[in-house]
Amino acid sequence: KAGVTQTPRYLIKTRGQQVTLSCSPISGHRSVSWYQQTPGQGLQFLFEYFSETQRNKGNFPGRFSGRQFSNSRSEMNVSTLELGDSALYLCASSDPGGDRTEAFFGQGTRLTVV
Amino acid sequence: AQKITQTQPGMFVQEKEAVTLDCTYDTSDPSYGLFWYKQPSSGEMIFLIYQGSYDQQNATEGRYSLNFQKARKSANLVISASQLGDSAMYFCAMREIGGGSQGNLIFGKGTKLSVKP
Repeated sequence: KAGVTQTPRYLIKTRGQQVTLSCSPISGHRSVSWYQQTPGQGLQFLFEYFSETQRNKGNFPGRFSGRQFSNSRSEMNVSTLELGDSALYLCASSDPGGDRTEAFFGQGTRLTVV
Repeated sequence: AQKITQTQPGMFVQEKEAVTLDCTYDTSDPSYGLFWYKQPSSGEMIFLIYQGSYDQQNATEGRYSLNFQKARKSANLVISASQLGDSAMYFCAMREIGGGSQGNLIFGKGTKLSVKP
């Protein structure tokens, strides 16, 4: 079974631009969550999508948005990039069906805003 | 309020020895899950072990075991027979699942483990 795939792996953008990151979950997994990891704030939850609906949202500004497609693939978009958006963005997929719902993570997209 | 606390920013262990990474948590939800993840320098988060709040026994997965002390709200990870490849960041995480909802993972700040040959 293929793991979680995130593309691209690395990205350099200029302040003010927008960026779209992609995540393909494990086949059969319906839930996709996004996390931002920075040295200062650690790992922070952005949002979760389940069956194309946003089910949960973290405390991030509206510049951060996402969506999920019918095949469970998800994208997250960040508009009007700021220097502070430089981070490792991790996507996790899971198949909620009980208490033990471990999340399987991709390798992340490392975004640098200059 | 911080819900997951990992008090050891960095740890050193000799190869082949055991090491314990500390994790305490805070929640009022009686139903929750505790997770440990390993993050090597490549960035990927690798799932290691899970403990449910209602599990009676401590979880074990190969060389990994979880020392779960519910009354103390601690969930320490024990790695036996450390290997050089165990050098990485280790994160403790919790998911509150009361009311049937699947909450997001809440992570600690992590512990950087270095295994010395």
